[in-house]
Formats: sequence, C-alpha cells, structure tokens
Amino acid sequence: QKEVEQNSGPLSVPEGAIASLNCTYSDRGSQSFFWYRQYSGKSPELIMFIYSNGDKEDGRFTAQLNKASQYVSLLIRDSQPSDSATYLCAVNTDKLIFGTGTRLQVFP
Amino acid sequence: DAGVIQSPRHEVTEMGQEVTLRCKPISGHNSLFWYRQTMMRGLELLIYFNNNVPIDDSGMPEDRFSAKMPNASFSTLKIQPSEPRDSAVYFCASSLGASGGPQHFGDGTRLSIL
Repeated sequence: QKEVEQNSGPLSVPEGAIASLNCTYSDRGSQSFFWYRQYSGKSPELIMFIYSNGDKEDGRFTAQLNKASQYVSLLIRDSQPSDSATYLCAVNTDKLIFGTGTRLQVFP
Repeated sequence: DAGVIQSPRHEVTEMGQEVTLRCKPISGHNSLFWYRQTMMRGLELLIYFNNNVPIDDSGMPEDRFSAKMPNASFSTLKIQPSEPRDSAVYFCASSLGASGGPQHFGDGTRLSIL
C-alpha cells in the first residue's frame, strides 16, 4: 500500500463547476497536510495546508481533513481553465511524502 | 522576496560525467530538501538538512549521489558517475523550522544523461 494515494485522473470538469480532489494516507500519526499545484514543466506551488480536522477555506479553495478516515480533500469552486494542472497531496509524518498527483482539466 | 534559486536550469551531459546541482534556499529558512521527479516514480525525497546538518538521507539512491550544505545559504547535490537512469527533474525546496512546515520549491534542474 502506498503511503499517500491519489487518483491519477484526469479529472475533467466544466468551467464554473466544483472540482473535488481526494487523497488518502496510511500513517495515522501524520500531523500536517499540504496541497500543491504543478503546471506542466513547472515546480510544485503550495496552495493550501491544513493541520486540524475540518475545513479550511482560502478564496476558491477549501481543504478538508478527516483524520479518523485518513483522507484529505481539496475543493476548487468556480473552476477556471487556468486551474488545469496536476494537484499533489503531501502528508507529513517525519518527512513529507507526496502522492503521484491528480491531473485536473477544466474545459470552457 | 527571492524564492529558492537553483542552477543550472538545464543540464545535458554524457554518461560517466560528474554532475553538480546547486541550490540557494530562501533567506531565514533552516530546512532544505532535495527531491527528484520522474513520470514513473513521481516526486521523491532524496535528502533533507536542518540547520545545515543532514537529517535523513534514506532516499539517496546509491553511493553515486552525495549532498552537502556548507552554510545556511548554499547546498549542492552531486552525481558521480552519472547514468542515463538519473535523468529527471531535481527540485530543491526550503522551509522554516523542521520538516513539518510548508515547503517552497525552486524552479528545478532538468537533467538529461546521454
């Protein structure tokens, strides 16, 4: 079992819709959780982090954490074509472990 | 503010040659990380330093790889001798505090070994 799992996608959503990206992790001792966005040919860019159970909102982005079920998700409201990228989930135990990413495609 | 700075951006070299990648972390950050990204394996942590000291090098693939951090503003990742399977994008990242905080990535070095 991989330590951090994500569906590779692509996840295709129409412009204006809500995109929901999910991530599960195996280590119950994980304390901090991150979402990175990576455009093709570019470096990962931090967009959200969450430490506590529940929701954390930042603009059009909401991160959701459920430690009991060991999943973390990212919701993108009012999706735009510019949101098309690969989204990497990262989970920290004693070091940061990345998932392989979900490719999101937002079509006009 | 300047972000993490990596050099070179691209490197093409022949098998067997020595390759040195360089990184300048964000000023004030005391943790530095080297990652490798490939299509097959995704983003893998190679090594990380805290306060210039290597803390975890379990991701370094073999003895051909070595990393140093002689001071708080500079780190190198060296591959000697290089092999075609080392071809990847190598990222450096830095963070404030220990490994649990948000990490900020440099633009990466795209390495091709012929």
